[in-house]
Amino acid sequence: QKEVEQDPGPLSVPEGAIVSLNCTYSNSAFQYFMWYRQYSRKGPELLMYTYSSGNKEDGRFTAQVDKSSKYISLFIRDSQPSDSATYLCAMNRGSARQLTFGSGTQLTVLP
Amino acid sequence: DGGITQSPKYLFRKEGQNVTLSCEQNLNHDAMYWYRQDPGQGLRLIYYSQIVNDFQKGDIAEGYSVSREKKESFPLTVTSAQKNPTAFYLCASSTFVHEQFFGPGTRLTVL
Repeated sequence: QKEVEQDPGPLSVPEGAIVSLNCTYSNSAFQYFMWYRQYSRKGPELLMYTYSSGNKEDGRFTAQVDKSSKYISLFIRDSQPSDSATYLCAMNRGSARQLTFGSGTQLTVLP
Repeated sequence: DGGITQSPKYLFRKEGQNVTLSCEQNLNHDAMYWYRQDPGQGLRLIYYSQIVNDFQKGDIAEGYSVSREKKESFPLTVTSAQKNPTAFYLCASSTFVHEQFFGPGTRLTVL
């Protein structure tokens, strides 16, 4: 079983919809939770990170961490065609020097 | 402009050949990383380096080698011992492990 599980999709939504992307994990030692966006044939870019539990908001994006359920989410409000990409979650134990990535969810926002 | 550059963008390797992928950063980051990305498998860590002249194996180091002679540079050599090297290779750098910044990637294909 993988330490981080992520539904690969693909997920298609109409423009303006609220998108919910999710990851589950098994290692309770994870403390930092990241979301990356990767456009086709490009390197990932860091959207946001959260330390421990709680919510973090940045514009149309909200990251949510529920450590009791070992479940993290990324919400995208008012989705745009430019949001069409693969979204990768990643996690870190804090003391470790490496990240553990989910396999990514491919999102398409239809105009 | 600060950032990470990778070259070449596309690389073709013949059987039994060693090839070297370049990664340069001008972000003044201490740590640098090499990942491999295969379809549907997310990112897997090959090697990482926290300081000059020091590097550590990641999860899939077999068949790869690295050097870190300068802070700005972290080249990756894919040796002939790597039996399935066709993949998308990503270099990253960071000050903090949970804030990694990625380059544009190199797509390696074995002929």
